[in-house]
Amino acid sequence: DGGITQSPKYLFRKEGQNVTLSCEQNLNHDAMYWYRQDPGQGLRLIYYSQIVNDFQKGDIAEGYSVSREKKESFPLTVTSAQKNPTAFYLCASSSGQGYGYTFGSGTRLTVV
Amino acid sequence: DQQVKQNSPSLSVQEGRISILNCDYTNSMFDYFLWYKKYPAEGPTFLISISSIKDKNEDGRFTVFLNKSAKHLSLHIVPSQPGDSAVYFCAASAMYRDDKIIFGKGTRLHILP
Repeated sequence: DGGITQSPKYLFRKEGQNVTLSCEQNLNHDAMYWYRQDPGQGLRLIYYSQIVNDFQKGDIAEGYSVSREKKESFPLTVTSAQKNPTAFYLCASSSGQGYGYTFGSGTRLTVV
Repeated sequence: DQQVKQNSPSLSVQEGRISILNCDYTNSMFDYFLWYKKYPAEGPTFLISISSIKDKNEDGRFTVFLNKSAKHLSLHIVPSQPGDSAVYFCAASAMYRDDKIIFGKGTRLHILP
């Protein structure tokens, strides 16, 4: 079955530590995206990648970093520079034709 | 500057009645519109879409209406069922310019028994 997998589902991090969220897709999609959801804020774009080895900043990229070494994988690192990292993080992918995204099931990150 | 606006953060509707969720957009380059449904602690799932060449698209209990002159779209759910309680995101894209989809902030729909 084709899909997009985010792991882990829940993640706890101590303040000052970096943490990496995994996102893998087997849909053969070229484009991948990271969003953050906070209550009342909707979905805010962190980073996106339209092709391997290339990515662009979204609206709220500060304190985050990504890599796109393989088509299937787009990991997101939440660094200690991110001021309010506690949130629900969503990864998505698309074929790049504007027909919409397929989302993963999300990772809830809590800083303790 | 919000390009896709959902002005109602929440909406309560009696089971069996019609639910109408509204969405406005400002970018005239948008030519493809989507609705996503999201349950808590899950990723959004695609519900229905409409191209700008149409003014209505229907899929079972779900109908999306597009009024291009008013830059307004709406999602109608008839009849509303308990499982429809979720957050609904309106989204838009300019398909031939950019693959990026712009999302509204969402409307939380409560279906009352």
